[in-house]
Amino acid sequence: DGGITQSPKYLFRKEGQNVTLSCEQNLNHDAMYWYRQDPGQGLRLIYYSQIVNDFQKGDIAEGYSVSREKKESFPLTVTSAQKNPTAFYLCASSISTTTANTGELFFGEGSRLTVL
Amino acid sequence: KQEVTQIPAALSVPEGENLVLNCSFTDSAIYNLQWFRQDPGKGLTSLLLIQSSQREQTSGRLNASLDKSSGRSTLYIAASQPGDSATYLCAFGSNDYKLSFGAGTTVTVRA
Repeated sequence: DGGITQSPKYLFRKEGQNVTLSCEQNLNHDAMYWYRQDPGQGLRLIYYSQIVNDFQKGDIAEGYSVSREKKESFPLTVTSAQKNPTAFYLCASSISTTTANTGELFFGEGSRLTVL
Repeated sequence: KQEVTQIPAALSVPEGENLVLNCSFTDSAIYNLQWFRQDPGKGLTSLLLIQSSQREQTSGRLNASLDKSSGRSTLYIAASQPGDSATYLCAFGSNDYKLSFGAGTTVTVRA
């Protein structure tokens, strides 16, 4: 089945550690995104990528890093510089590559990160 | 920056009642909007996508309308069922790759 796979589903981290969240899609979509979701708030964009080997910062990129070496993969690293990393992280993709329209967005099942 | 508001934050209705969920936005220069459903601890599932040139979209018991002049979108769910219990989020696409999300409306349908 086509879709977006995120792993791990749950992750615990000690303060000062970097962690990497995986996102893989087999939808042949060009654009991929990382969002953060906190209780009572809308989703906030961390990073997005329109094409392989290119990515842009979203609204809350500080303390995060990404790479886009393959079309189907867009891993997110939560670094120790992120002051409040405990959250639900969602990866998404879309087929549109036009700069004016995101097209329909498809999401993975999410990864819940807890800092101990 | 697009501001998106969903009111109420939570809603409880008896089974069979029609649901009306509201979403308002501040910038009329939108390109599209999407309605999503999210179950607890899960990702988002796309329900309907309306392009800026369209007024509404329908899928089964769901109907979404878009009124750019008033800055509003409404999601109607006919004859609600307990399985419709979830959080519903709206999101607007602007002239870049970013979607602006509302915080969602959590719906409980009582059997």
